[in-house]
Amino acid sequence: RKEVEQDPGPFNVPEGATVAFNCTYSNSASQSFFWYRQDCRKEPKLLMSVYSSGNEDGRFTAQLNRASQYISLLIRDSKLSDSATYLCVVNRGWGSGTYKYIFGTGTRLKVLA
Amino acid sequence: GAGVSQSPSNKVTEKGKDVELRCDPISGHTALYWYRQSLGQGLEFLIYFQGNSAPDKSGLPSDRFSAERTGGSVSTLTIQRTQQEDSAVYLCASSLGSPRETQYFGPGTRLLVL
Repeated sequence: RKEVEQDPGPFNVPEGATVAFNCTYSNSASQSFFWYRQDCRKEPKLLMSVYSSGNEDGRFTAQLNRASQYISLLIRDSKLSDSATYLCVVNRGWGSGTYKYIFGTGTRLKVLA
Repeated sequence: GAGVSQSPSNKVTEKGKDVELRCDPISGHTALYWYRQSLGQGLEFLIYFQGNSAPDKSGLPSDRFSAERTGGSVSTLTIQRTQQEDSAVYLCASSLGSPRETQYFGPGTRLLVL
């Protein structure tokens, strides 16, 4: 079982739809959580950090459930430009006071006109 | 300020040759990661450097792969006796090393082994 798991999709949604992705992680010592976005043939870029209280950035809302060890990303009023792969990322202790990022394999979103 | 840079941006080589890929992290970033991404696939972790700690090499797929980080800054990933299955995009990322810090990626090196 992978340490960070995501549904690979693709999620095909019409423009204006609301779409949600979930991600589960297995290491309860995970410290911090992120969503990254990766466009085709480009490097991943940070979309947003995920805070325990949940956080919102425009049309994007991220939530964390530590008890159930999952993270979610909600995209409202989806745009064509939201089409990308969304990577769930967990940062956990690795040893000797250091930390390590663990990436999920990503969920592919296609927003259709 | 300058982001993570990688060179070369593209590399075509013949099977059996050695290649070196370079990564210049953001100045001051103590953590440096190498990943590999094959076409249409997720990120595959290769190796992680954090400060003066021994690197985590657990992701290196074979002993043909090695990496160094000199002076806590620039890193070189070396692939010896390249094989066609080594063809992929090799991504480098750096961060400040604390758990809440963002990881920043370079543009990657596209390696094609003929």
